[in-house]
Amino acid sequence: NAGVTQTPKFRILKIGQSMTLQCTQDMNHNYMYWYRQDPGMGLKLIYYSVGAGITDKGEVPNGYNVSRSTTEDFPLRLELAAPSQTSVYFCASSYTVGGEGTGYTFGSGTRLTVV
Amino acid sequence: AQKITQTQPGMFVQEKEAVTLDCTYDTSDPSYGLFWYKQPSSGEMIFLIYQGSYDQQNATEGRYSLNFQKARKSANLVISASQLGDSAMYFCAMREADSWGKFQFGAGTQVVVTP
Repeated sequence: NAGVTQTPKFRILKIGQSMTLQCTQDMNHNYMYWYRQDPGMGLKLIYYSVGAGITDKGEVPNGYNVSRSTTEDFPLRLELAAPSQTSVYFCASSYTVGGEGTGYTFGSGTRLTVV
Repeated sequence: AQKITQTQPGMFVQEKEAVTLDCTYDTSDPSYGLFWYKQPSSGEMIFLIYQGSYDQQNATEGRYSLNFQKARKSANLVISASQLGDSAMYFCAMREADSWGKFQFGAGTQVVVTP
């Protein structure tokens, strides 16, 4: 099983450029999440989805957009990149959202630098 | 408001010794899960251990144990017999049952294991 696949692993963007971070999972998980991790910090939620066609904002959604047209894919779109969006981005998925201990399956992350 | 607090930004521990990483949390949801993740320098997020709010016993997974004190809202991670490979960033996280699976992460504790 591939689990959660994120592409690209690294990217350098110029200010004002746009890009899409791809996230695909093959576990048939309904719940998917995008987090960002700034240097030396914990993860903060950008957007999440509870199923195909349903998305909602997290803690830090400004400057990002998402879509969820299929169960497998949950791309994150950056429009007009800014230096403040320099971060490591993690996609994660989950089978359940209760208190059970299954936790997330994380992707390997995308390291984005905006210059 | 910060729901997960990790007060130790960094710690040094000698090989073969035990180390305790502090984590306190804040929630009014009676059903929640507490998780610890390890993030080595390679960047991936590795699940270590889980404690449910209704669990009567402290969770253990190999050399990892969770000291769960519900009344004090603390969920400290204990790593016994530290190894050089334990050097990493450690994150405490909480998932409330009524949160669509969203995690709240602490800021992390950097652990360095010395020979």
